[in-house]
Amino acid sequence: NAGVTQTPKFRVLKTGQSMTLLCAQDMNHEYMYWYRQDPGMGLRLIHYSVGEGTTAKGEVPDGYNVSRLKKQNFLLGLESAAPSQTSVYFCASSYTAQSSYEQYFGPGTRLTVT
Amino acid sequence: KQEVTQIPAALSVPEGENLVLNCSFTDSAIYNLQWFRQDPGKGLTSLLLIQSSQREQTSGRLNASLDKSSGRSTLYIAASQPGDSATYLCAVEAAGNKLTFGGGTRVLVKP
Repeated sequence: NAGVTQTPKFRVLKTGQSMTLLCAQDMNHEYMYWYRQDPGMGLRLIHYSVGEGTTAKGEVPDGYNVSRLKKQNFLLGLESAAPSQTSVYFCASSYTAQSSYEQYFGPGTRLTVT
Repeated sequence: KQEVTQIPAALSVPEGENLVLNCSFTDSAIYNLQWFRQDPGKGLTSLLLIQSSQREQTSGRLNASLDKSSGRSTLYIAASQPGDSATYLCAVEAAGNKLTFGGGTRVLVKP
């Protein structure tokens, strides 16, 4: 199993450009999450999904959109990138929640917006 | 709103010393608490998960305790090694299927 994979690993955008980050998991997990991590801070939840075709807002959703068309994939979109979105983005998945099931994390995407 | 705090932000110990990492949270209505390890430039690796009904979990040299009533968890790493150098993050899962993370403790174990 590859676990949780993220594409791309690095990206530099100019302000106003758009891009999509792809997260894929091969563990048949129902739940998937997108987080951002900024220096000196813990991870903050952007959006999450509790199953195929569903999405929900997390703590910091503004400026991002997501889609979960297939169970194994969770896409994070930036329609008009801003310098404040410079961060490291992590995707995670879990079998379910509110129980003993851990969240498994991808390796991260480092995004710089100039 | 749940807030998770990890103090200290950084810790340096000589090899062989036991590590004690602290995590506190403001809302005791949690489902579980997880401890993660993060190496520089890498993703997070889950170390231990403690369900709300448990008081501790152990894995090898790692032991994590949970006191829900006081909003505290402690991660103990016995006989630290240079390979234990990393950032350790705790996170609590509460209502809404969401993890709330602390800011992490950066650990350096000196040979």
